[in-house]
Amino acid sequence: AQSVTQLDSQVPVFEEAPVELRCNYSSSVSVYLFWYVQYPNQGLQLLLKYLSGSTLVKGINGFEAEFNKSQTSFHLRKPSVHISDTAEYFCAVSDGPGTYKYIFGTGTRLKVLA
Amino acid sequence: DADVTQTPRNRITKTGKRIMLECSQTKGHDRMYWYRQDPGLGLRLIYYSFDVKDINKGEISDGYSVSRQAQAKFSLSLESAIPNQTALYFCATKSDNEQFFGPGTRLTVL
Repeated sequence: AQSVTQLDSQVPVFEEAPVELRCNYSSSVSVYLFWYVQYPNQGLQLLLKYLSGSTLVKGINGFEAEFNKSQTSFHLRKPSVHISDTAEYFCAVSDGPGTYKYIFGTGTRLKVLA
Repeated sequence: DADVTQTPRNRITKTGKRIMLECSQTKGHDRMYWYRQDPGLGLRLIYYSFDVKDINKGEISDGYSVSRQAQAKFSLSLESAIPNQTALYFCATKSDNEQFFGPGTRLTVL
């Protein structure tokens, strides 16, 4: 069965510094990969998704992620974070088009420090 | 207006009480989901529905039931609430390639 690992439960980083949030998934023939963000007291919002094509995916708010099939990873990056990026970030995977099921990681709480 | 709405947003109840959480969507999607979120555990799937006549259990359905009253409405019930059902509950819809989440219902069972 598909699984997703987010090794870092919390990541503190100073404002304007770069950040990388790690996500690894178990191998599958084909996968769709997603990053969602959850701001305090809100639902989940899609940051970006990889379905096919270019392995570098750009999303909203200056975030990007790179799909690495050989390392089964989909790490999220931002070159310069803002206080407003403080939130919880979830990586998710599905097995391809038409699948009903998303598997979510346990989340990484990003705290941006002034 | 939000595409996926949930009511109530917060609820405190007592052990043994029956609780219903409601979800409505205006996205026109056939697929709808209920998840619960617990700290350090991420989101876990409770139930999902492909259409009004197709309802399926997720990984943690014990203690829960659902009703799909219409394409736009999907309700989650706790027949007899227990404290370990205290969690944040999310409803979601799904297009071909993306899920859309409601704002969540924070449920506390005392």
